[in-house]
Amino acid sequence: KNQVEQSPQSLIILEGKNCTLQCNYTVSPFSNLRWYKQDTGRGPVSLTIMTFSENTKSNGRYTATLDADTKQSSLHITASQLSDSASYICVVTITGGGNKLTFGTGTQLKVEL
Amino acid sequence: GAGVSQSPRYKVAKRGQDVALRCDPISGHVSLFWYQQALGQGPEFLTYFQNEAQLDKSGLPSDRFFAERPEGSVSTLKIQRTQQEDSAVYLCASSFAGTANTEAFFGQGTRLTVV
Repeated sequence: KNQVEQSPQSLIILEGKNCTLQCNYTVSPFSNLRWYKQDTGRGPVSLTIMTFSENTKSNGRYTATLDADTKQSSLHITASQLSDSASYICVVTITGGGNKLTFGTGTQLKVEL
Repeated sequence: GAGVSQSPRYKVAKRGQDVALRCDPISGHVSLFWYQQALGQGPEFLTYFQNEAQLDKSGLPSDRFFAERPEGSVSTLKIQRTQQEDSAVYLCASSFAGTANTEAFFGQGTRLTVV
């Protein structure tokens, strides 16, 4: 049973548009929530890390939010570019789990002209 | 090197063959992780080292899987008597410290195909 659920599973948007990806998790207690970008054939690259006390974290055109009460997070991408086409994965670190990262299945984003 | 390096990038093995996958973490990184990523899925935890000590191997799917990091730097993931269900991308990650909020850096992975 996956403890980190993401939606939508896939998304196609036009270049320049904004989009928001969702993540719901059941892992508790957790140390932090991360968003990773994974290009095809590459390893995941970290975008943001938020502890349970943080509500939002930005990294350029990427803004992540976290609601620890509802156990939800979102990743907002502004002014999308073709190079944003990738899988975006929500990851939760379990407290006391030896830094074990629990990955969601990802949202596959495609940005088109 | 500048990042986490994994080799080989691709490996095709006949069913029943043994394979060894190598991970060179970022120099000085204490923690090292192995993950297995099936096609279209997110990575799943296999095992975790802090220096040379294997602190968590709860994710290893069977006793055919074995990982080591004898000198606290390079790590090898060995799979004995490979089976078709072992086909996946194997990702290695390293981080500077063992604390939960430390950034983890991933290699490009080794794509294993068992035929």
